[in-house]
Amino acid sequence: GAGVSQSPRYKVAKRGQDVALRCDPISGHVSLFWYQQALGQGPEFLTYFQNEAQLDKSGLPSDRFFAERPEGSVSTLKIQRTQQEDSAVYLCASSLSPSGTQETQYFGPGTRLLVL
Amino acid sequence: LAKTTQPISMDSYEGQEVNITCSHNNIATNDYITWYQQFPSQGPRFIIQGYKTKVTNEVASLFIPADRKSSTLSLPRVSLSDTAVYYCLVGDGMDTGRRALTFGSGTRLQVQP
Repeated sequence: GAGVSQSPRYKVAKRGQDVALRCDPISGHVSLFWYQQALGQGPEFLTYFQNEAQLDKSGLPSDRFFAERPEGSVSTLKIQRTQQEDSAVYLCASSLSPSGTQETQYFGPGTRLLVL
Repeated sequence: LAKTTQPISMDSYEGQEVNITCSHNNIATNDYITWYQQFPSQGPRFIIQGYKTKVTNEVASLFIPADRKSSTLSLPRVSLSDTAVYYCLVGDGMDTGRRALTFGSGTRLQVQP
């Protein structure tokens, strides 16, 4: 079956440019997560959606980061006025139910963002 | 939130059994222990999860002693394709509102021919 897909897979942006990263979760999955992964590090949580509701955005590093999931399926992570420190892999994950951390999360391949 | 400690890297050869131990001294009563695997240019993938004693699936085994302060992921007869980063995570088993996974730096396993 189809897994989590993300697009684009790679994005090069000039400093100050706005970018939008897309995530298509597994159909029917209630929960959707965004993580940021720096080179050589584990993924770090950015934000969480339960259906269309953004229930946790405590991991977003600044107000330049914005995420939405308007119809409870596809999600978009937008970064405004990109900075070099935003360069990282952005991972999307989904899970079937809104349970706790014991619920298996299914990750997409990530979008590698490079800000020049 | 319980913190985990695991080796930064490990080396092995094809056909050997690999054991990666993770310590989680502050594990809470309701916490499960979960392991994820990540290949280069891919997102993490769930391997195995347990609460106590031993859990086995088609990929790995997870050994958890009675005090649950550590756990060991066992990969039988590794192949080159098992070269990856392995993350040990400890999280709530109840719906406490926390749903995001907390990853450490993981263990980088390199399997040699």
